[in-house]
Amino acid sequence: DQQVKQNSPSLSVQEGRISILNCDYTNSMFDYFLWYKKYPAEGPTFLISISSIKDKNEDGRFTVFLNKSAKHLSLHIVPSQPGDSAVYFCAADPRGSSNTGKLIFGQGTTLQVKP
Amino acid sequence: DAGVTQSPTHLIKTRGQQVTLRCSPKSGHDTVSWYQQALGQGPQFIFQYYEEEERQRGNFPDRFSGHQFPNYSSELNVNALLLGDSALYLCASSFNQGAEQYFGPGTRLTVT
Repeated sequence: DQQVKQNSPSLSVQEGRISILNCDYTNSMFDYFLWYKKYPAEGPTFLISISSIKDKNEDGRFTVFLNKSAKHLSLHIVPSQPGDSAVYFCAADPRGSSNTGKLIFGQGTTLQVKP
Repeated sequence: DAGVTQSPTHLIKTRGQQVTLRCSPKSGHDTVSWYQQALGQGPQFIFQYYEEEERQRGNFPDRFSGHQFPNYSSELNVNALLLGDSALYLCASSFNQGAEQYFGPGTRLTVT
């Protein structure tokens, strides 16, 4: 039972263009979402998060959008750089319940940014 | 400022054996969570330790156990290893059970 889904295993974009990574979730109790980036042989690195009381959060080149009615969030990277090439994970934390800090991850999307 | 550290980096064990993995949290963090990441999958939550107690647990059997020490470091123990336990084991730390967790580089466990 996959509660957080990243349906695109891979994405390839040209340097300077926009990268859009998508994530869907099934549990309406989830109210805090995070994106992590992972390079080979390293642990995931926190990128950006969003609370369910917002529909957008921006940090430099990274913006996360949340559509609660569709149970969908997306990560936009503008402009994309070759150093952004990594595996990106979407994660949810059901902070509204007692399960604080129990992150539920999607399967990941491998982003390749071509020079 | 040291980040999350894990040891060992790699480990090879035989079916039926027991293994202990170690984690030191980022400075200032008091909560440690453990995740298992199989090849091609996202990390799966095993359990979380806070104030030296297991606070949350994922869908893992009792063969998986842990401990947190007064200095907030933690151990993950796996008994009666199965081939399916082969994975990357990630430790993550946070403050006060927060969702924004900082991950270590992981321990690659291979069970033969």
